[in-house]
Amino acid sequence: KQEVTQIPAALSVPEGENLVLNCSFTDSAIYNLQWFRQDPGKGLTSLLLIQSSQREQTSGRLNASLDKSSGRSTLYIAASQPGDSATYLCAVMDSSYKLIFGSGTRLLVRP
Amino acid sequence: SAVISQKPSRDICQRGTSLTIQCQVDSQVTMMFWYRQQPGQSLTLIATANQGSEATYESGFVIDKFPISRPNLTFSTLTVSNMSPEDSSIYLCSVPRTWGYTFGSGTRLTVV
Repeated sequence: KQEVTQIPAALSVPEGENLVLNCSFTDSAIYNLQWFRQDPGKGLTSLLLIQSSQREQTSGRLNASLDKSSGRSTLYIAASQPGDSATYLCAVMDSSYKLIFGSGTRLLVRP
Repeated sequence: SAVISQKPSRDICQRGTSLTIQCQVDSQVTMMFWYRQQPGQSLTLIATANQGSEATYESGFVIDKFPISRPNLTFSTLTVSNMSPEDSSIYLCSVPRTWGYTFGSGTRLTVV
């Protein structure tokens, strides 16, 4: 059974810092991995999608990497801003097209 | 990206009653997924809704409690039946796209 773990559970950083969020999964037979952002009480916003054949994806200040063989992904956020404060979720898609989510990292960027 | 309209955005319901949540997608999709997010928790898949067939439920979720309809390729409903305070959660629908999954804005349900 696929399990997804995110570390750390919570993170507080001063504005301007670069930071890394970690995601690990137990079964390397995934189709893709997706990073989402969730603001309190809101739905999910897709940030980046990495196909299983890809190593990384970039969008603006965000860069996500994928090492399928070791079951790891990282989300790198450059020059963090208070507006980046949210919960970040990673999810892997299995062979039945279902998304399995990690428990999330709650990020607070202090002004 | 796909636009999903989810209603209602929130509701407060009495225990023992039922609530039906609707999701309308702006284009046809084969599969739609329903998720639950309990307070402080991550998302858990409830069921997969396929047009023209019964929904497929995940372990721990049953049709009597969470009946799902999928009358066409752009619409689905999830009903939370005979509600108790433990059903207080955010419920979200989702559809797969080539660029990843897109989610509705969620329904925040509080059962009192």
